[in-house]
Amino acid sequence: EAGVTQSPTHLIKTRGQQATLRCSPISGHTSVYWYQQALGLGLQFLLWYDEGEERNRGNFPPRFSGRQFPNYSSELNVNALELEDSALYLCATGLSGRTPTDSYTFGSGTRLTVV
Amino acid sequence: GEDVEQSLFLSVREGDSSVINCTYTDSSSTYLYWYKQEPGAGLQLLTYIFSNMDMKQDQRLTVLLNKKDKHLSLRIADTQTGDSAIYFCAESNQAGTALIFGKGTTLSVSS
Repeated sequence: EAGVTQSPTHLIKTRGQQATLRCSPISGHTSVYWYQQALGLGLQFLLWYDEGEERNRGNFPPRFSGRQFPNYSSELNVNALELEDSALYLCATGLSGRTPTDSYTFGSGTRLTVV
Repeated sequence: GEDVEQSLFLSVREGDSSVINCTYTDSSSTYLYWYKQEPGAGLQLLTYIFSNMDMKQDQRLTVLLNKKDKHLSLRIADTQTGDSAIYFCAESNQAGTALIFGKGTTLSVSS
């Protein structure tokens, strides 16, 4: 069974550009969570999509947005890139209506570098 | 808001025990979790503990929970070089809609 796949693995953008990151969940998973892992800041919760809708949002500006497609894959868009957006972006997927003991399954991440 | 704190680094010798500590703020968290991140990889769930438990043991891993002090620890017995990784403590946010992670503890195991 394929795991959670994220693409691209690495992305280099210049300040002010837009970045699009993609995540494909494990078959049967309908929830997608996005996290930012910046150096020294740990994992910061960005967004949660479930059944095609945005369910929760972390403390990030509106230029961080995303969507979930009918096949439950998801896209994270970051507009007007700033240098401090450089980070590893991790996607995790899970079952809809997951109980607390259902673990997330994480992808390996997209390393975004803004120059 | 919710916050999870961890020490950033721990260095041990192969064969010793490692203890990674974590403090959290949300006393309503039903479950607390430990995740492991190896270089270049995503996070992998290691273990979790229900908040009404004091201890959970799973092979070489022992989780201790002090709910009064909001303190969680992960003990790895007979630490191996393959245990070198970043370990994250996590709790659910109040709404149960996201996991809140600490900054991670980098465990370095020397032979």
